[in-house]
Amino acid sequence: AQTVTQSQPEMSVQEAETVTLSCTYDTSESNYYLFWYKQPPSRQMILVIRQEAYKQQNATENRFSVNFQKAAKSFSLKISDSQLGDTAMYFCAFPNTGNQFYFGTGTSLTVIP
Amino acid sequence: DAGVTQSPTHLIKTRGQQVTLRCSPKSGHDTVSWYQQALGQGPQFIFQYYEEEERQRGNFPDRFSGHQFPNYSSELNVNALLLGDSALYLCASSPPSGGADAIDTQYFGPGTRLTVL
Repeated sequence: AQTVTQSQPEMSVQEAETVTLSCTYDTSESNYYLFWYKQPPSRQMILVIRQEAYKQQNATENRFSVNFQKAAKSFSLKISDSQLGDTAMYFCAFPNTGNQFYFGTGTSLTVIP
Repeated sequence: DAGVTQSPTHLIKTRGQQVTLRCSPKSGHDTVSWYQQALGQGPQFIFQYYEEEERQRGNFPDRFSGHQFPNYSSELNVNALLLGDSALYLCASSPPSGGADAIDTQYFGPGTRLTVL
């Protein structure tokens, strides 16, 4: 079974600064996808960014980008110009071939004004 | 474009009771997955429905069952509730894909908070 590990239970960042959230995973598959989801206090799980393992280029969505290191099985999320609305739980997720998603335990990010 | 909707928002039950949670997928989506999220944890996969059949199942007892209707909406039923079933239950839908092995982005609803007393 796939495993997803987020080793940072809590992090904080000053508004407008940059923060990086870490995620490692374990798989024997060669082609797969990785996701970051954000869950604010409202509970709604929101897709942040998606990376396809066969693509060399790291995915970017506005202020959010990933650093995907396939050999190291590392998939970190970088948030630039942090905003108060970025305060949330962030989950790294890894689906198996049947589209069953495995989630990490999450990182609670607080953006400090 | 309506997103994934779930009802009810909150629910309080007592041990031994049965509960039914409902989910309507995002427009155009045909696959529904259910997750249980205990407090302070990441979501855990319960099962997935496609073409009105359970396609995959996680490590949950038979007390957890589901159904998918022809309009792709879905229900999650939990029988003989235990205190440990208290959690946020999330429904996620995904679009039509190339088959059972395809990977599709899942879009989540706001969840149902179940409290078992």
